[in-house]
Amino acid sequence: QVQLQESGPGLVKPSETLSLTCTVSGDSMKSYYWTWIRQSPGKGLELIGYIFDNKSPSYNPSLSSRVTISIDTSKNQFSLKMTSVTAADTAVYYCAREGITTAVSLDYWGQGTLVTVSS
Amino acid sequence: DIQMTQSPSSLSASVGDRVTITCRASQGLGSWLAWYQQKPGKAPKLLIYAVSRLQSGVPSRFSGSGSGTDFTLTISSLQPEDFAIYYCQQVSSFPYTFGQGTSLEIK
Repeated sequence: QVQLQESGPGLVKPSETLSLTCTVSGDSMKSYYWTWIRQSPGKGLELIGYIFDNKSPSYNPSLSSRVTISIDTSKNQFSLKMTSVTAADTAVYYCAREGITTAVSLDYWGQGTLVTVSS
Repeated sequence: DIQMTQSPSSLSASVGDRVTITCRASQGLGSWLAWYQQKPGKAPKLLIYAVSRLQSGVPSRFSGSGSGTDFTLTISSLQPEDFAIYYCQQVSSFPYTFGQGTSLEIK
């Protein structure tokens, strides 16, 4: 059974960098796209970006200037960094897998981690 | 970005009812549409992908249809565990975008 688990600080100060890691278990990371999504009351579900193997990540243009997604398949992990955060970045952050047979849809998700931006 | 609009935003129904949720896209999606179910405090769960294909393990009372810009999710006979929020997502054009959600509540 594939499992994803987000980890990282739950509280980040304004203007600082949010850093999260997703650890994948139960399957190889190869051949899949790995995605970060966030959910806030104000903006609903929002795709942040994704990465495939060691190819160049793709980022939502609305966030691309502040976001970096990286992957370490030897550790079965991928990560998200978001710089210069503000209160508007307060959200539940999810990592998810794009299934091979599910036409780009997200078949496995982490449980989500709440990140609050506040001083 | 492609805008996804769901209707209704909320819906009250009873166990056993047939329910339909609509999702409209701001431009044509081909077959690149998915539906998710989210319960309180949980991550979204994939129900349907490619408009009408049922994800493994999802009950057959869920079905999807549509084409172009208009899509529907139908639950043929509501069960108690189906009361949740439902989201559509277009995966036709990056950035992939979600609808605002439809909250399905017990009448």
